[in-house]
Amino acid sequence: DSGVTQTPKHLITATGQRVTLRCSPRSGDLSVYWYQQSLDQGLQFLIQYYNGEERAKGNILERFSAQQFPDLHSELNLSSLELGDSALYFCASSAGGPSFFYTFGSGTRLTVV
Amino acid sequence: DQQVKQNSPSLSVQEGRISILNCDYTNSMFDYFLWYKKYPAEGPTFLISISSIKDKNEDGRFTVFLNKSAKHLSLHIVPSQPGDSAVYFCAASGNAGGTSYGKLTFGQGTILTVHP
Repeated sequence: DSGVTQTPKHLITATGQRVTLRCSPRSGDLSVYWYQQSLDQGLQFLIQYYNGEERAKGNILERFSAQQFPDLHSELNLSSLELGDSALYFCASSAGGPSFFYTFGSGTRLTVV
Repeated sequence: DQQVKQNSPSLSVQEGRISILNCDYTNSMFDYFLWYKKYPAEGPTFLISISSIKDKNEDGRFTVFLNKSAKHLSLHIVPSQPGDSAVYFCAASGNAGGTSYGKLTFGQGTILTVHP
């Protein structure tokens, strides 16, 4: 157990639907990062939050949004889902501010049918 | 635009031999590099890193080499063990701190299989 909890582990939904992925960072970590791993692709950076504030944004689609709550857990909202959104979504956390020494969760596998 | 590339999707080695995983990058602004290891059904875990001011960093059986002029880094595992079988990702960042806010650019990963 890495200390970063992601729920649900698996999610199957239909095109056009909306889902919410949840991440609880490791205790004490203030930064949360979301990454998407599609088939045969590396992890693509989506967005980062630090202590409730958005700090960096990657190639995140407009249909996707995220937030970090006062208790530091984070949610990634995916709407108007398309088949191409099927992927593994990873959350990672790190202590303090900018840091590359992530602790990753085990991911949420999203399948859009 | 794949700024970090791992051109070998897979690598197979015998237990006890050396495993060499390669990674190329195109962005000359990258100045910090990391390797992550991933087992099935788990998230990636940090393995080893190197700053651009160094050309080698060693941690036990794992050594990372950086060739800045060639924009190339490699991970050496000696000796390889069956438990090292996993997917290995290299990652890079353009700023070791400062304003990059910890964003990493990952390669596609290399599946390493170590045979007993």
